[in-house]
Amino acid sequence: QLVLTQSPSASASLGASVKLTCTLSSAHNTYDIAWHQLRPEKGPRYLMRLNSDGTHTKGDGIPDRFSGSSSGTERFLTISSLQSDDEADYYCHTWGSDIVVFGGGTKLTVL
Amino acid sequence: QVQLVESGGGVVQPGGSLRLSCVASGFAFNSFGTHWVRQAPGKGLEWVAFIQYDGDNTVYAESVKGRFTISRDNSRNTVHLQMTWLRAEDTAVYFCAKDPSMWGLSPLGFDHWGQGTLVSVSS
Repeated sequence: QLVLTQSPSASASLGASVKLTCTLSSAHNTYDIAWHQLRPEKGPRYLMRLNSDGTHTKGDGIPDRFSGSSSGTERFLTISSLQSDDEADYYCHTWGSDIVVFGGGTKLTVL
Repeated sequence: QVQLVESGGGVVQPGGSLRLSCVASGFAFNSFGTHWVRQAPGKGLEWVAFIQYDGDNTVYAESVKGRFTISRDNSRNTVHLQMTWLRAEDTAVYFCAKDPSMWGLSPLGFDHWGQGTLVSVSS
């Protein structure tokens, strides 16, 4: 079964970096994913598509502070130089044969 | 720029029906698939349905299969979600989202999102 697992919460200080993790089910370690940001009172925002080899394609206007990487079943989103605006929920998603699956989301707190 | 604007949300009783609409602009609407995704209060994102760019293929989450119908009118750059037999657990903000794959035949994902419309199922 295609499953994505995310830690429920993460925190980091203003100006620091944070690395969020999205873990694929073991049988699906070659799958690509995408990252999305969901801020309170705003619609979701597409951040990037992240391939299993670590290459990524960012969405319109996504700053260089956002980057992605991959290792085995893990897909990472790194946000550097954290700003207060980055405080949000971050979701990964992937896709299979006529199915789309989301991870449970990670709530990022900027201290 | 790409814009997706949802409408049609509201309060409905259990067992009732509601029709959501999503009007798109800023891109070649008839070349891309469209999705509906929802977020229940205090919960995460849940994919609901996908419709291929020409309407020939539709795919649904198990939780809504047989109750929801997605359709599109390419002449009006509009996608609809007809929701019937609504349950309390269908209460959520419903988002419309554009698929990134031009002429894609199956769902891939979302590269642009709308702001959402709230559906509340309550007696």
